[in-house]
Amino acid sequence: GAVVSQHPSRVICKSGTSVKIECRSLDFQATTMFWYRQFPKKSLMLMATSNEGSKATYEQGVEKDKFLINHASLTLSTLTVTSAHPEDSSFYICSARAPANTEAFFGQGTRLTVV
Amino acid sequence: EDKVVQSPLSLVVHEGDTVTLNCSYEVTNFRSLLWYKQEKKAPTFLFMLTSSGIEKKSGRLSSILDKKELFSILNITATQTGDSAIYLCAVEESQGAQKLVFGQGTRLTINP
Repeated sequence: GAVVSQHPSRVICKSGTSVKIECRSLDFQATTMFWYRQFPKKSLMLMATSNEGSKATYEQGVEKDKFLINHASLTLSTLTVTSAHPEDSSFYICSARAPANTEAFFGQGTRLTVV
Repeated sequence: EDKVVQSPLSLVVHEGDTVTLNCSYEVTNFRSLLWYKQEKKAPTFLFMLTSSGIEKKSGRLSSILDKKELFSILNITATQTGDSAIYLCAVEESQGAQKLVFGQGTRLTINP
């Protein structure tokens, strides 16, 4: 099946710094990628839809200036958590869909810890 | 607002038992319903359902969709300890970005 690679898998950063997470579709082109956040023992919460070549679409309640999304190419989307705070600590997962009528494939996820 | 509700939220059974997980949904523009299994990292795909009444089967797992009553079930027979995971149900919209709306998940624990 299609492969989505997410990097890094784990990151620890200091409060106030910014962290960039990459999501790559390895064997297909993805015009749309999705970014999710998952709190412990909770389900996936969609943060934003990343659109290649245009601005991301954010879900209600998600701060676009805090969670910067860039989808510069058909195989790469990045999520930057700016000025991170301990409450941003979470598991972030991206997903991408191969051409129409197929399931969404997920990256391995990134566990962010802000200290 | 689109909503996906899974039940039960948590389930503990013994190895060999059969379990049924439920997923009900309210979505304005339905395209498909998907089941995922999540262990320690990212979810892995199990099934995609688009038509009512057609059972999809993979080994000991099976799933069916009822588009009239707006729900789906995931069955696991002869459960094994390796089936312990969180099972996520998601509904895909047919319009716009075709985003997935996830349910809360069912945490399934299989005891030996």
